[in-house]
Amino acid sequence: DAKTTQPTSMDCAEGRAANLPCNHSTISGNEYVYWYRQIHSQGPQYIIHGLKNNETNEMASLIITEDRKSSTLILPHATLRDTAVYYCIGKSYNTDKLIFGTGTRLQVFP
Amino acid sequence: GAGVSQSPRYKVAKRGQDVALRCDPISGHVSLFWYQQALGQGPEFLTYFQNEAQLDKSGLPSDRFFAERPEGSVSTLKIQRTQQEDSAVYLCASTQPGDRSYNEQFFGPGTRLTVL
Repeated sequence: DAKTTQPTSMDCAEGRAANLPCNHSTISGNEYVYWYRQIHSQGPQYIIHGLKNNETNEMASLIITEDRKSSTLILPHATLRDTAVYYCIGKSYNTDKLIFGTGTRLQVFP
Repeated sequence: GAGVSQSPRYKVAKRGQDVALRCDPISGHVSLFWYQQALGQGPEFLTYFQNEAQLDKSGLPSDRFFAERPEGSVSTLKIQRTQQEDSAVYLCASTQPGDRSYNEQFFGPGTRLTVL
């Protein structure tokens, strides 16, 4: 599974877009980019995933660069409840387990 | 609907005691995972079941850790002769495998184990 690199922490004002970057320069062709988040004292929660096309769902958008070496998770209108640790994970098609890094701690402030 | 549940939510053990942590996955979910999360770290994979078969136990840190899922539903993670370094949150997740390009794992709230 690809090693991912994320900033340790970020801040975002409530109502603004939160853009969380992730580098995965060693990602291989069959590896998907998954994003999970973990709110304090809860288990991780799936957000979105993609292979090479940009993806959008009710929670977020995922922008993957054309060379697939990096991606950005976008929360379009951050709320206080979006304060959490966000994990970017490169997951092979051939495995089911998730390999978490240390993630980005996003703090949304009023 | 009911999600993944884990019990107990908190467990304090004296060093050397055995503990058993329970996971009730979402009904019908075939795959079940255990992860260990140390303070300030991301979750680390321990082991994986598909139905009652333990297909991957590569993440279990020592032979003191044992997991089972005898009827392909509820799973128990057992830690024998607990050590202080076993203190962590133990997370369980379940998923319904199918299309491997989509693998949303549903996590329980975790069991926080503190070994004194």
